[in-house]
Amino acid sequence: DGGITQSPKYLFRKEGQNVTLSCEQNLNHDAMYWYRQDPGQGLRLIYYSHIVNDFQKGDIAEGYSVSREKKESFPLTVTSAQKNPTAFYLCASSLLGEPTQHFGDGTRLSIL
Amino acid sequence: GDSVTQMEGPVTLSEEAFLTINCTYTATGYPSLFWYVQYPGEGLQLLLKATKADDKGSNKGFEATYRKETTSFHLEKGSVQVSDSAVYFCALSDGRDFNKFYFGSGTKLNVKP
Repeated sequence: DGGITQSPKYLFRKEGQNVTLSCEQNLNHDAMYWYRQDPGQGLRLIYYSHIVNDFQKGDIAEGYSVSREKKESFPLTVTSAQKNPTAFYLCASSLLGEPTQHFGDGTRLSIL
Repeated sequence: GDSVTQMEGPVTLSEEAFLTINCTYTATGYPSLFWYVQYPGEGLQLLLKATKADDKGSNKGFEATYRKETTSFHLEKGSVQVSDSAVYFCALSDGRDFNKFYFGSGTKLNVKP
């Protein structure tokens, strides 16, 4: 079955540490997205990419970085510069020209 | 800019009650409209969508009609079940730039047996 796989499901970060969240899709989608969800709130866009080796900042990119070396993969790094990283992170993908986004099951990041 | 406003929750209903979750939008182009559902600890699942005015999206007994005159996309279900308990998000995708996805803040639905 095609889908989006996010790993790990739970992740803990120590002070001053960078952590990387994985997102892999086998839907042959061109576009991929990262969102942050805080309790009781909607989703906020962190980064997005429409093509390999290209990506753009979303609304809250500070303290985060991404790469898009393969069409299937769009990892997100939460750097030590992100002072409030505790949140639920969601990865999504879509076909270019088709507005529907498909989501993974998310990664919950907490601070130790 | 584009935005989505949906009713605040939580909404608490008894099983078999009628459900309405209001959603209104602001957009300068010709957006597509969506309802997503999120169960505890999971990602978002597409529930239904409508891509042009007067379209009705439907799935699993849920319906929503794209009303351009009232800029609304209200979610309805005639008879809710306990298993419908979840958070529901209204969203729009800008018709001019498909990377732009705007979400409402979500409405939590609790259905009691």
